[in-house]
Amino acid sequence: EPEVTQTPSHQVTQMGQEVILRCVPISNHLYFYWYRQILGQKVEFLVSFYNNEISEKSEIFDDQFSVERPDGSNFTLKIRSTKLEDSAMYFCASRPQGVAQYFGPGTRLTVL
Amino acid sequence: QKEVEQNSGPLSVPEGAIASLNCTYSDRVSQSFFWYRQYSGKSPELIMSIYSNGDKEDGRFTAQLNKASQYVSLLIRDSQPSDSATYLCAVLGSYQLTFGKGTKLSVIP
Repeated sequence: EPEVTQTPSHQVTQMGQEVILRCVPISNHLYFYWYRQILGQKVEFLVSFYNNEISEKSEIFDDQFSVERPDGSNFTLKIRSTKLEDSAMYFCASRPQGVAQYFGPGTRLTVL
Repeated sequence: QKEVEQNSGPLSVPEGAIASLNCTYSDRVSQSFFWYRQYSGKSPELIMSIYSNGDKEDGRFTAQLNKASQYVSLLIRDSQPSDSATYLCAVLGSYQLTFGKGTKLSVIP
């Protein structure tokens, strides 16, 4: 059964550094998402992406964040200058024409 | 601000019993509702979706939706220790899912 994959599984970075989190959505899916979950808190929406453009973003997704689909398979989330409070699990999700979203295994980002 | 509320638990049930998990949501126009299971340190795993008022059954799981009361529930029959996890209720907005904090379920052997 096809799955969303994410790399790396764990990323440790210094405050102020740039990080790129990578996702490979399920191949026939059209809609792509990033969510994050700070330890012990809710899963929070960051951004949705369709047809090579952002369709919606949350207040969390400020100018420090960007997304890109550089080729036909990868979907990336870039954080330009990481802050301590960016430490969280970051989940990529995708969906086909239906509404159900399928999540990848996540990347644990630790900002020191 | 769209809100999804769940009792955080923990909810403890003996093996073989029925576990009942509840969720309320604030946005009256919501049409699509989901239950995800999340094991500790893992990602949310979709287990049920429901779009119409009433019950939807899938194996040991039954989702119930009452849009008038803005209420969604999940019943797990014949609970197993492997069902021990946090169950997340999620409501679809225009594009994004809004999640509750989740209910932690513990099934006692």
